[in-house]
Amino acid sequence: AQTVTQSQPEMSVQEAETVTLSCTYDTSENNYYLFWYKQPPSRQMILVIRQEAYKQQNATENRFSVNFQKAAKSFSLKISDSQLGDTAMYFCAFMKALNTGTASKLTFGTGTRLQVTL
Amino acid sequence: NAGVTQTPKFRVLKTGQSMTLLCAQDMNHEYMYWYRQDPGMGLRLIHYSVGEGTTAKGEVPDGYNVSRLKKQNFLLGLESAAPSQTSVYFCASSGQVTEAFFGQGTRLTVV
Repeated sequence: AQTVTQSQPEMSVQEAETVTLSCTYDTSENNYYLFWYKQPPSRQMILVIRQEAYKQQNATENRFSVNFQKAAKSFSLKISDSQLGDTAMYFCAFMKALNTGTASKLTFGTGTRLQVTL
Repeated sequence: NAGVTQTPKFRVLKTGQSMTLLCAQDMNHEYMYWYRQDPGMGLRLIHYSVGEGTTAKGEVPDGYNVSRLKKQNFLLGLESAAPSQTSVYFCASSGQVTEAFFGQGTRLTVV
């Protein structure tokens, strides 16, 4: 079974600064996907960024980037130029690579609550 | 552009009552899921479906039943609600190689 660990329950960052959220995972799989989801106060789960394990290049989406260390089983999220709208709960999630008929079940971490302040 | 829609958004039940949560997706996804979210525990998988007419247990299935009679719908049932089932429930769907898309959640309180 896979496990996902987020060791930072809460973090705070000032507007325009950079913050890094940590995530580690444990798996015996070689092919898998990793995700960061954002959950603002509206409760909606929003995909922030996705990383395929077979890709060595770290994924980036505008101000969001990851540091994927496959050997260390680490998948951190860096948010640059933080904005007030980034205030949310952030979840790291793991998914095994799909085979036909296999559902893409997600295993979530417990989340990191990020507060962006003025 | 609805995506995944859950009904209702909020519900209060008395212990022992039953209810059904409805999830509908318009993306023609094969896979659908029900998760529950509790403070400090992230999201945990209750049941899931890999296609119309199929269901399977997830991590925390006890006290819940599901049905997938139509590809676009996935129902979650509570036959006899308990206070331990107070939670926020999320439905999600995905295709073969896509990430999961989530509904807006249902806050259920059992008193």
